[in-house]
Amino acid sequence: SAVISQKPSRDICQRGTSLTIQCQVDSQVTMMFWYRQQPGQSLTLIATANQGSEATYESGFVIDKFPISRPNLTFSTLTVSNMSPEDSSIYLCSVQTGPGGYTFGSGTRLTVV
Amino acid sequence: EDKVVQSPLSLVVHEGDTVTLNCSYEVTNFRSLLWYKQEKKAPTFLFMLTSSGIEKKSGRLSSILDKKELFSILNITATQTGDSAVYLCALNFGNEKLTFGTGTRLTIIP
Repeated sequence: SAVISQKPSRDICQRGTSLTIQCQVDSQVTMMFWYRQQPGQSLTLIATANQGSEATYESGFVIDKFPISRPNLTFSTLTVSNMSPEDSSIYLCSVQTGPGGYTFGSGTRLTVV
Repeated sequence: EDKVVQSPLSLVVHEGDTVTLNCSYEVTNFRSLLWYKQEKKAPTFLFMLTSSGIEKKSGRLSSILDKKELFSILNITATQTGDSAVYLCALNFGNEKLTFGTGTRLTIIP
């Protein structure tokens, strides 16, 4: 199965600033998924990132707040913009690694103060 | 909105006990149901279920899907402290996106 390197592992950021999270996959994948997990909650899909096209955002998430880049088939970034304390969450990237199987990055724990 | 509900929300048991975690859903047009274990940040894959009534087994863990009654269960026998984690179920609707359940936080007391 694929191995995903995600960074940073954690960060503490000031409100109003932005943070870019990176995911590097050790194999080429068509789609990469970005999830958010707020404290005590389950995972919620933010967007699907396809190489060569704009990301597809889920209801409640917008490109201005969570811009995504997908420059090639092994790499993607998610930026959390103009952060507020409500953005404090774990952010995870994920790829499909076979029929029904999904692998997740190691996660980024973001705290906004 | 597609809804996936897990129960209980949290569970505390003693080492050696057997636990059964439940995942209920309201939709029928999904391709598979998946179970994950989340210890720190990254969920790790446990099972994928596509057919009703066929048990998947891996060591002390097993899972089964009931498409008629719209639920799945995850069983863990002879629990160990290393089983302490949040267990998540998710539905795959075939568009490669996963809809996750609310999660069950399992704590195993030595």
